[in-house]
Amino acid sequence: DSGVTQTPKHLITATGQRVTLRCSPRSGDLSVYWYQQSLDQGLQFLIQYYNGEERAKGNILERFSAQQFPDLHSELNLSSLELGDSALYFCASSVRGREETQYFGPGTRLLVL
Amino acid sequence: GDSVTQMEGPVTLSEEAFLTINCTYTATGYPSLFWYVQYPGEGLQLLLKATKADDKGSNKGFEATYRKETTSFHLEKGSVQVSDSAVYFCALSDRDNAGNMLTFGGGTRLMVKP
Repeated sequence: DSGVTQTPKHLITATGQRVTLRCSPRSGDLSVYWYQQSLDQGLQFLIQYYNGEERAKGNILERFSAQQFPDLHSELNLSSLELGDSALYFCASSVRGREETQYFGPGTRLLVL
Repeated sequence: GDSVTQMEGPVTLSEEAFLTINCTYTATGYPSLFWYVQYPGEGLQLLLKATKADDKGSNKGFEATYRKETTSFHLEKGSVQVSDSAVYFCALSDRDNAGNMLTFGGGTRLMVKP
């Protein structure tokens, strides 16, 4: 158990819908990262937040957005969902001062029908 | 940009065989290197890491040495077990990039037969 929690574990929804994925980092970690794992694209970095501020952006679609709240939990919002958005979404967190080492949550499996 | 290349799987071995999974990288800065493991139906677990050239990371019998001259970070284990069956990902974090995002290889599936 890495100490990073993600909810829900599974999510099934329809095209065009909007969903919110939630992540709680390990106690004391200020950085939160979101990654997408799909069969065709592999593991891709989406976005990073540090203490409530966006720090880095990767291959994140405009339909996707994220935020980190004062209690340091983070949410990833996916809207206007398409079939191709079906994937495993991971959250990770890292320790202040050793931010290159990331600990991953169990992931949220999203299925868009 | 940064990239990581892993040998394609699946790699199928008998129990107690020697394991090598090749990983090479391209980075503009001075990356830290990682191996993560994903067991069936689970998330990514950090297996080992190395943060500078010639460092050796090790954990649970697995080892990998950061070779800057060959830009490689090959994963090895002397004697694999059935319980090692999983997908292994090589990754790098480039300190020169804003943020500390990980760039992953495509993953290598290992299957160990009794």
